[in-house]
Amino acid sequence: EVQLVESGGGLVQPGGSLRLSCAASGFTFSSYWMSWVRQAPGKGLEWVANIKQDGSEKYYVDSVKGRFTISRDNAKNSLYLQMNSLRAEDTAVYYCARVQVTIFGVAGVAMDVWGQGTTVTVSS
Amino acid sequence: EIVLTQSPATLSLSPGERATLSCRASQSVSSYLAWYQQKPGQAPRLLIYDASNRATGIPARFSGSGSGTDFTLTISSLEPEDFAVYYCQQRSNWPPVFTFGPGTKVDIK
Repeated sequence: EVQLVESGGGLVQPGGSLRLSCAASGFTFSSYWMSWVRQAPGKGLEWVANIKQDGSEKYYVDSVKGRFTISRDNAKNSLYLQMNSLRAEDTAVYYCARVQVTIFGVAGVAMDVWGQGTTVTVSS
Repeated sequence: EIVLTQSPATLSLSPGERATLSCRASQSVSSYLAWYQQKPGQAPRLLIYDASNRATGIPARFSGSGSGTDFTLTISSLEPEDFAVYYCQQRSNWPPVFTFGPGTKVDIK
């Protein structure tokens, strides 16, 4: 079964740090771009970051640039999101998602497998 | 930066009725558009990719159309399990970054 399982969420004070993890199984993790997507309480979806199969390319939404870092360990089939200098507006459910790939290994249009999400709350 | 606009914000329909959801991009996204369904407390589920291709396991009552700046998700006959929030999402040509629309809620009339 293709599966993504996030962990690492919790309550953190403003200015603090948190590291999210996503464990992948049931597919060849190293063949896919991966993403983090978040959803603030009662709000819509917001894409956060992408990472290429070998980790050589990473892209971020402007609001997290310089604060968040996406990374992966293909040997452990795991995706990570290091979040520093956290703000109240970072409070959200964070989803790990697999990005479709084209036959050339380029990132596809959509995210076809999603985890169940992990909740991050930034509050004093 | 490409902005996606979805209309209407809420669509109130009865089971068996046809649902037509719109997504408009601020500039052309070619066919780089996807649609997702999300139910309360659940992760999003991919319905349509590349504007008109149904994802694996998605029923034939869901269809997508459009290209450039105007896209449509059609649910031909609403089933009780289809009442949910629907998001469109585009992928920029380069770099490969994603943007979601604000969503359309389909609720029971």
